[in-house]
Amino acid sequence: LAKTTQPISMDSYEGQEVNITCSHNNIATNDYITWYQQFPSQGPRFIIQGYKTKVTNEVASLFIPADRKSSTLSLPRVSLSDTAVYYCLVGEGDMIKAAGNKLTFGGGTRVLVKP
Amino acid sequence: ETGVTQSPTHLIKTRGQQVTLRCSSQSGHNTVSWYQQALGQGPQFIFQYYREEENGRGNFPPRFSGLQFPNYSSELNVNALELDDSALYLCASSPYEEMNTEAFFGQGTRLTVV
Repeated sequence: LAKTTQPISMDSYEGQEVNITCSHNNIATNDYITWYQQFPSQGPRFIIQGYKTKVTNEVASLFIPADRKSSTLSLPRVSLSDTAVYYCLVGEGDMIKAAGNKLTFGGGTRVLVKP
Repeated sequence: ETGVTQSPTHLIKTRGQQVTLRCSSQSGHNTVSWYQQALGQGPQFIFQYYREEENGRGNFPPRFSGLQFPNYSSELNVNALELDDSALYLCASSPYEEMNTEAFFGQGTRLTVV
């Protein structure tokens, strides 16, 4: 997996948009960018994965610039239930999505949504 | 809520003892991966089991061992427990042959070594 850097924590308020940026300067040509979400006392869950430009699903959007050295996870109109730790992982896409071999998570970004 | 079940949910052991943690995989998932998550840190890969054999291992000593059964469920065994083994232990299941399919994590077993 490529080394990634993301903020340790972020605070937000209900209804706001939360943007978490992840730096991955050493991303390889075949690497994908994957984000996991972990609620307190639960295991992580896959939320989104992308290779370039923009990916959107029912949970979040992922923005990836042309140089792919960073990416931004965007959570629209957050609610209290979006309080969680968000992990950015960069590497072989299928392996990361399937939580496969030697998948190691960094410290993640703790997002606290306040009322 | 995923279909991955772990037991027990909480456990307290004494240093030097042995512990066995269990994981039932999501229906149809034949691969189980185990992770250790220390407080305030991200999960760290311990090992993966596929077809009842170890299929990759992280940087953990041999006193961490595992098993996978024909029904794909799995066990994590830790011998000679140390205080630093206190952590949340997570298992994740996935279908090995279906690439680009997400894994599902269980809720974990919280192990406290005193």
